[in-house]
Amino acid sequence: AQSVTQLGSHVSVSEGALVLLRCNYSSSVPPYLFWYVQYPNQGLQLLLKYTTGATLVKGINGFEAEFKKSETSFHLTKPSAHMSDAAEYFCAVSEEGYGGSQGNLIFGKGTKLSVKP
Amino acid sequence: DTGVSQDPRHKITKRGQNVTFRCDPISEHNRLYWYRQTLGQGPEFLTYFQNEAQLEKSRLLSDRFSAERPKGSFSTLEIQRTEQGDSAMYLCASSRTGWETQYFGPGTRLLVL
Repeated sequence: AQSVTQLGSHVSVSEGALVLLRCNYSSSVPPYLFWYVQYPNQGLQLLLKYTTGATLVKGINGFEAEFKKSETSFHLTKPSAHMSDAAEYFCAVSEEGYGGSQGNLIFGKGTKLSVKP
Repeated sequence: DTGVSQDPRHKITKRGQNVTFRCDPISEHNRLYWYRQTLGQGPEFLTYFQNEAQLEKSRLLSDRFSAERPKGSFSTLEIQRTEQGDSAMYLCASSRTGWETQYFGPGTRLLVL
């Protein structure tokens, strides 16, 4: 069964510093991997996803993530943090669903990112 | 696209009461998913539909929970005889097909007193 581990429930960075949020997964099939962001009292917004092809995936708001099969990792990075990046970030892997399609998502526990001025 | 909408956004109920939540997916999205998110945790899968067919249910979906999507458009999630442990954010997501991105609604926050 698939699972996701996010290292660090809280990460704090200074504005302008590098953001690195870690995600490791386990999957018995080639995974579809996702990063979602959640602002307080809101639903989840997709930042980026990996399905097949290029292992470096670029998303919205300057975020990117690299799929490393050998390390079973999909870490999220942003070169320069902005105050508006403060939110909770969730890594997810897709279960294999009906007829080989994507099924439900399995989420990590989330990492809350704080950005200091 | 107007986005996924959920109603109500907040619900406070007493233990033992029944509650029903509604989700309106993005138009022409065939897949509809329900998740539950408790404080400090990531969302956990409850069930999903392909059009009106309920394809999969999590073991988290006890007998007190039922979900429907009668015409393949909006969906309802009902919880009977609510318990304090049901307090959570209930999230709905939809995707155009089973191979495409899931888009989430704002959620319904349930508090059971």
